[in-house]
Amino acid sequence: QSALTQPRSVSGSPGQSVTISCTGTSSDVGGYNYVSWFQQHPGKAPKLMIYDVNKWPSGVPDRFSGSKSGNTASLTISGLQAEDEADYHCCSYAGAYTWVFGGGTKLTVL
Amino acid sequence: EVQLVESGGGLVQPGGSLRLSCVASGFTFSNHWMHWVRQGPGKGLVWVSGISNDGRGTTYADSVKGRFTISRDNAKNTLYLQMNSLSADDTAVYFCARDHAKTPDYWGQGTLVTVSS
Repeated sequence: QSALTQPRSVSGSPGQSVTISCTGTSSDVGGYNYVSWFQQHPGKAPKLMIYDVNKWPSGVPDRFSGSKSGNTASLTISGLQAEDEADYHCCSYAGAYTWVFGGGTKLTVL
Repeated sequence: EVQLVESGGGLVQPGGSLRLSCVASGFTFSNHWMHWVRQGPGKGLVWVSGISNDGRGTTYADSVKGRFTISRDNAKNTLYLQMNSLSADDTAVYFCARDHAKTPDYWGQGTLVTVSS
């Protein structure tokens, strides 16, 4: 039940693209296509942005995209906007109805 | 509209107990696994525990196994977390989350638990 590894922070200017990585193991990220990404503004609940590696929930703009290669998943945000500034968390199913999360990445829009 | 509303948090002394509740609405509660996830101050999300839709199956993180008990009352659309032998490491905002096809798709606003003397 070790946490997934995310960079502590990333930054980008408006209009640019940023990618956040999420590294796990073959027991979680690499073993299942159940990786999800959450956006969390200060004091708020996490909001689902991507599920099943690369699917969008209703209402999430397609500027947000997900991918996976081996034990590493990635979230790419293109056309950065000021409102994208938030913490981003990855999550993977880890078998037997358990989940494992990353440590979170703070996105700063310069 | 799916809504999850947690309650029951507060200040508790080390070694003490607390029971959290999460009232669900806007969906068929009895069709979904439900989970508790916590977030320590300035830290990331950590999965705590899950319970099957009928309440017969439960899962726990190693860090809370033997101290925390998850349960549910489908007639009341309510999820619970009984927390015993609390320590400072348990200080966190506790979120309940709905499990949809192995993804935590909806979350409550959270309830703060502070363990301190």
